[in-house]
Amino acid sequence: NAGVTQTPKFQVLKTGQSMTLQCAQDMNHEYMSWYRQDPGMGLRLIHYSVGAGITDQGEVPNGYNVSRSTTEDFPLRLLSAAPSQTSVYFCASKAMGAYNEQFFGPGTRLTVL
Amino acid sequence: TQLLEQSPQFLSIQEGENLTVYCNSSSVFSSLQWYRQEPGEGPVLLVTVVTGGEVKKLKRLTFQFGDARKDSSLHITAAQTGDTGLYLCAGDRSGGSNYKLTFGKGTLLTVNP
Repeated sequence: NAGVTQTPKFQVLKTGQSMTLQCAQDMNHEYMSWYRQDPGMGLRLIHYSVGAGITDQGEVPNGYNVSRSTTEDFPLRLLSAAPSQTSVYFCASKAMGAYNEQFFGPGTRLTVL
Repeated sequence: TQLLEQSPQFLSIQEGENLTVYCNSSSVFSSLQWYRQEPGEGPVLLVTVVTGGEVKKLKRLTFQFGDARKDSSLHITAAQTGDTGLYLCAGDRSGGSNYKLTFGKGTLLTVNP
C-alpha cells in the first residue's frame, strides 16, 4: 500500500492564482482531512470528510474548498491564493471508529508570492 | 487562544539524558495523541491515551494522561540521536471519533551525540 499520497510536493503561486492540492489514499478509509502547518502554530484543521459526498469545516476553512466524490480522493482547492496561505499542507486519513490512527501524507509546501 | 500548550518549545540535550515534554490544557479531552514528525514528512502517531491516569510505555518512551484528562506528558529515558524530531500532542474532544483534532505547537527535540 502507498498509504496517503500528496501532489505536488512543492508549489509556488502568485497572488490571485488558483490551484488544487491532490490527496489520495489506498487504505479504503472513510475519513479524510486537510491540515495546514505554520511555524509556531502547530497543525490546524482546514476541512474534513467522513465519506464520499460529505464534507465539513475545520478550524480555518476560509479561502479553501473541498469535495469528496470518491473514497480515495480528497482534493483541496485554493480559488484565489493569498500570501497568508503560504504554508505546508498535510492530508490525513483514518478508518472510522473510536480512537483509530490517523495517517498523514508527506505534505505539500506552498508559497504564495 | 491555544487550546493545548506544549512545553518546552525547544529542547537540546546530550545523548543518554532523560527528558519530559508537557502538554497542558484547561479543556477535557476524550483522548490525547502524541505524534513525532521528522523534517519534510508528515506526523506519525506514537500513542493514544484514553483513560484518565493512563500510563503507556513504548520502549524508552513513557506517556501519561492526567487524571482529569486535561494534560499529558511524554518522558524519554536515555535519549538517543534517533529521537531527534518535532513532538506534537493532539487532543480530541469529539468523543473518540478524532474528527477534529486540536494540536499543540510542538516541542522540537535535538539529541546531540
